[in-house]
Amino acid sequence: GIQVEQSPPDLILQEGANSTLRCNFSDSVNNLQWFHQNPWGQLINLFYIPSGTKQNGRLSATTVATERYSLLYISSSQTTDSGVYFCAGLETSGSRLTFGEGTQLTVNP
Amino acid sequence: DSGVTQTPKHLITATGQRVTLRCSPRSGDLSVYWYQQSLDQGLQFLIQYYNGEERAKGNILERFSAQQFPDLHSELNLSSLELGDSALYFCASSVAGARQETQYFGPGTRLLVL
Repeated sequence: GIQVEQSPPDLILQEGANSTLRCNFSDSVNNLQWFHQNPWGQLINLFYIPSGTKQNGRLSATTVATERYSLLYISSSQTTDSGVYFCAGLETSGSRLTFGEGTQLTVNP
Repeated sequence: DSGVTQTPKHLITATGQRVTLRCSPRSGDLSVYWYQQSLDQGLQFLIQYYNGEERAKGNILERFSAQQFPDLHSELNLSSLELGDSALYFCASSVAGARQETQYFGPGTRLLVL
């Protein structure tokens, strides 16, 4: 199966700062999703982005499928952005999402 | 709110016991997936059903089983529970189980085995 690697593992920001989270995957994927797991454990869908760029408010994501990576940008971070951000890829021959280990983001006031 | 519902939210039980976790997919979704999130293994795929039939199997233990019913809700049965089964269990759903689809996750069931 595919391998999904995320960096950095931990990130601490001051409110208002911008950040970039990275996801590398080992093989071609048909499906790439970004999630935010909040402190209560809920997994919230952020983006479905197998290729290209999408924006949703202060968040945006870019996937360069040919180079096997995806980036999640968080601008003007807020304390409510804290939590763990996961990317997950689905290999071309399967139907299961393979998750990275996540980036633990802490935004301090 | 993703539209996927899971019950119960929390479950505390003892080793050796059996529990059933329930999932209702989003309206119109035919495919259901189960994932386990534990501290040592991270988020792992367990099993997928599509319209009542098993479609894909992941790292699911033999002590675990699942099914999807005609009304499309799904149940995950965990038996002979061990301490290491303590985890957050997520259900996800998608429209047709195709690869180029978003999987939407429920709020999870937190299982604690004592």
